[in-house]
Amino acid sequence: GEDVEQSLFLSVREGDSSVINCTYTDSSSTYLYWYKQEPGAGLQLLTYIFSNMDMKQDQRLTVLLNKKDKHLSLRIADTQTGDSAIYFCAERGANQGGKLIFGQGTELSVKP
Amino acid sequence: EAQVTQNPRYLITVTGKKLTVTCSQNMNHEYMSWYRQDPGLGLRQIYYSMNVEVTDKGDVPEGYKVSRKEKRNFPLILESPSPNQTSLYFCASSLGRGFDTQYFGPGTRLTVL
Repeated sequence: GEDVEQSLFLSVREGDSSVINCTYTDSSSTYLYWYKQEPGAGLQLLTYIFSNMDMKQDQRLTVLLNKKDKHLSLRIADTQTGDSAIYFCAERGANQGGKLIFGQGTELSVKP
Repeated sequence: EAQVTQNPRYLITVTGKKLTVTCSQNMNHEYMSWYRQDPGLGLRQIYYSMNVEVTDKGDVPEGYKVSRKEKRNFPLILESPSPNQTSLYFCASSLGRGFDTQYFGPGTRLTVL
């Protein structure tokens, strides 16, 4: 089946940039998403990118998509302690009946 | 306020005792889905529904049932819970099954002893 992979942990200092990476296998992926999960909370959609785009910027967030390598990244500029959370990459393919395939989640720890 | 609600938020039960987790959305969404979240595995889809009376299995449907009698509600039923169903469960909805953003509920943490 289709798969999405992420590293499990990332630690950065406050004020630095964070880069969270994700790889996927589904060549029919149409939309790719980044969700944020704070402790004890549900998933909050941060941003998404359509597969015919290379980059999308939204305030402190920059999403880069390399469709050839099936690699997606999320860059958070000027990372704050409030950005500490688990970040999930997810993809939605053309042939999956609307299902999202999630990565394992990357736990971002921001140290003061 | 547009939202997806789930109840209960926390539940501790024993093996074999039937339970239902409710999910409701107020956005008139057609597509609804249940996921379970386990450490190191991310979220995996259990069941989904594309409209009233239309449901289908996701990746991990064993031990679960769902129903979609009304558009807004999509309950998850565990007829005979077992300890391996201890997990964090999320309900999600979107306008259609295409490429619309999925909105997630706050989650239900279930422990089966």
